Amino acid sequence: SAVISQKPSRDICQRGTSLTIQCQVDSQVTMMFWYRQQPGQSLTLIATANQGSEATYESGFVIDKFPISRPNLTFSTLTVSNMSPEDSSIYLCSVRQGRDGYTFGSGTRLTVV
Amino acid sequence: QQQVKQSPQSLIVQKGGISIINCAYENTAFDYFPWYQQFPGKGPALLIAIRPDVSEKKEGRFTISFNKSAKQFSLHIMDSQPGDSATYFCAARADTGRRALTFGSGTRLQVQP
Repeated sequence: SAVISQKPSRDICQRGTSLTIQCQVDSQVTMMFWYRQQPGQSLTLIATANQGSEATYESGFVIDKFPISRPNLTFSTLTVSNMSPEDSSIYLCSVRQGRDGYTFGSGTRLTVV
Repeated sequence: QQQVKQSPQSLIVQKGGISIINCAYENTAFDYFPWYQQFPGKGPALLIAIRPDVSEKKEGRFTISFNKSAKQFSLHIMDSQPGDSATYFCAARADTGRRALTFGSGTRLQVQP
């Protein structure tokens, strides 16, 4: 299975600022996903990022708030823009390899103060 | 709309006992049903998965039971150990569209020594 390196692992940010989270995969993958996991909660899909196309956002998530880049088959970034305390969550990168191979990064724990 | 419902929210089991976590789904297009294990500070890790053409899959102490007609599946952990204490998520995926995993709400399992 793919190995995912996600950076930063945690950060504390001031409200109104932006944070860019990086997801590096050790092999080429077509499909990458970004999830949010609020404290003690389940994983909610933010968007699907395929190389060479615009990211597809889920209901409740918009590109202006969570811009995503996918410049190649091994890398993606998620930016959390104009942060508020409600954005405090764990953000997870995930990739799909083959038909059923889904792997997750260790996540970025974001605290907005 | 919650597409995958998981219960119980939390579970306390004695060492050596059987842990049982249940999930129900609504979308008949789902064709892949994994279970993930998550420890604090870590991303979810695949534990075991099943496709709807079989009713049961066993890997070591972990078994998935699948009831296609009832649209339910469950995870059984035999001989539960303190090291199994973690949060468990069921998930489901339709092999169309964005092909992302949809997660249940999670079960926090505590195995007491």
